[in-house]
Amino acid sequence: DAGVIQSPRHEVTEMGQEVTLRCKPISGHDYLFWYRQTMMRGLELLIYFNNNVPIDDSGMPEDRFSAKMPNASFSTLKIQPSEPRDSAVYFCASTTQGAYGYTFGSGTRLTVV
Amino acid sequence: RKEVEQDPGPFNVPEGATVAFNCTYSNSASQSFFWYRQDCRKEPKLLMSVYSSGNEDGRFTAQLNRASQYISLLIRDSKLSDSATYLCVVNNGYGQNFVFGPGTRLSVLP
Repeated sequence: DAGVIQSPRHEVTEMGQEVTLRCKPISGHDYLFWYRQTMMRGLELLIYFNNNVPIDDSGMPEDRFSAKMPNASFSTLKIQPSEPRDSAVYFCASTTQGAYGYTFGSGTRLTVV
Repeated sequence: RKEVEQDPGPFNVPEGATVAFNCTYSNSASQSFFWYRQDCRKEPKLLMSVYSSGNEDGRFTAQLNRASQYISLLIRDSKLSDSATYLCVVNNGYGQNFVFGPGTRLSVLP
């Protein structure tokens, strides 16, 4: 298995631009999570899905952030418009009932200038 | 009070030393506990699960004290390659939603 795949690995964008981050979970995993990590705040859960349905989006900072999971093998996290304070590493993770913990993707390092 | 708290460190120890990390959690309904390891500029990776009876994996020993809502990780005979940030992870009492602690940074020095 290729693991959780995220793209792009790095993204540099200008303030105000739209940013789309992508994630492909491990096949058979029915839970998908989006996390953001910064030095100041550590790992923060943004949203998670179960069977493609958003279960908890209380961690989404504001309306500029949106996430979708159109099918079991793909999810996106969109920021529109982006701001410098959105600069962070965004991780996607997946798991399934009975599994031990999560498997994380390699992350997307986002820099908004 | 934060849901999961850890001493941020850094812990700077010489090779061969024994080092212990502590973690406290606030949700008494939590059922699953893990330690993750995160190397610099890498994703977190599962190190080990934590069971009520305590468990050992080579040089690593994890223990859980439900009454005190406390988890520990002991690393014996530390190696240079153990240098990383160690994250305490607790589920929030339902589903598969886990809360990550802020992490404790370990540097093993030659």
